[in-house]
Amino acid sequence: GQNIDQPTEMTATEGAIVQINCTYQTSGFNGLFWYQQHAGEAPTFLSYNVLDGLEEKGRFSSFLSRSKGYSYLLLKELQMKDSASYLCAVTDSNYQLIWGAGTKLIIKP
Amino acid sequence: DAGITQSPRHKVTETGTPVTLRCHQTENHRYMYWYRQDPGHGLRLIHYSYGVKDTDKGEVSDGYSVSRSKTEDFLLTLESATSSQTSVYFCAISEGQGITYNSPLHFGNGTRLTVT
Repeated sequence: GQNIDQPTEMTATEGAIVQINCTYQTSGFNGLFWYQQHAGEAPTFLSYNVLDGLEEKGRFSSFLSRSKGYSYLLLKELQMKDSASYLCAVTDSNYQLIWGAGTKLIIKP
Repeated sequence: DAGITQSPRHKVTETGTPVTLRCHQTENHRYMYWYRQDPGHGLRLIHYSYGVKDTDKGEVSDGYSVSRSKTEDFLLTLESATSSQTSVYFCAISEGQGITYNSPLHFGNGTRLTVT
């Protein structure tokens, strides 16, 4: 079966750095997405990885290792507005998205 | 802003009644999707469309039907609502030919459906 695993919840301190991990087992791989979802709102696109390595976008970076079936989202200089759920999703061999259940990130002052 | 509007935003209905949710887009994108989101689960695809009158099933399509008679509108119908269909429903579009690096999904604001 196809499976994506993420921690259910994480807590971090304002101004700090946090890493949210995602491991996947899918039939084929055509890219990995990270989305942010604030409570009661729609998911919004954050980043995309298809090749191994790190993609940086301001305070957010995303890393991929295809051989290990592993990705992480790195958030630096955490702000209170970063409190949200972070969703990992993989496109399989049919270009359909398989979603993880999301990681709820709680930021404390 | 991808110009996606879902209606209604909230709905309470009784078991056994039919319910139709609407997704409207303003930019004539070809691909449209219906997902449901439940606690402890990832987003799950119900149905998707790749053009007018062209639709296909997702992983959780039982009990749901869709129609797309115009490019801008994608309707999701629960033929006879059950309590297990209580969920948040999201419509999404992709701007290209399906979901790729330069064509991620953009979501509407969701419909919270409660079946009593």
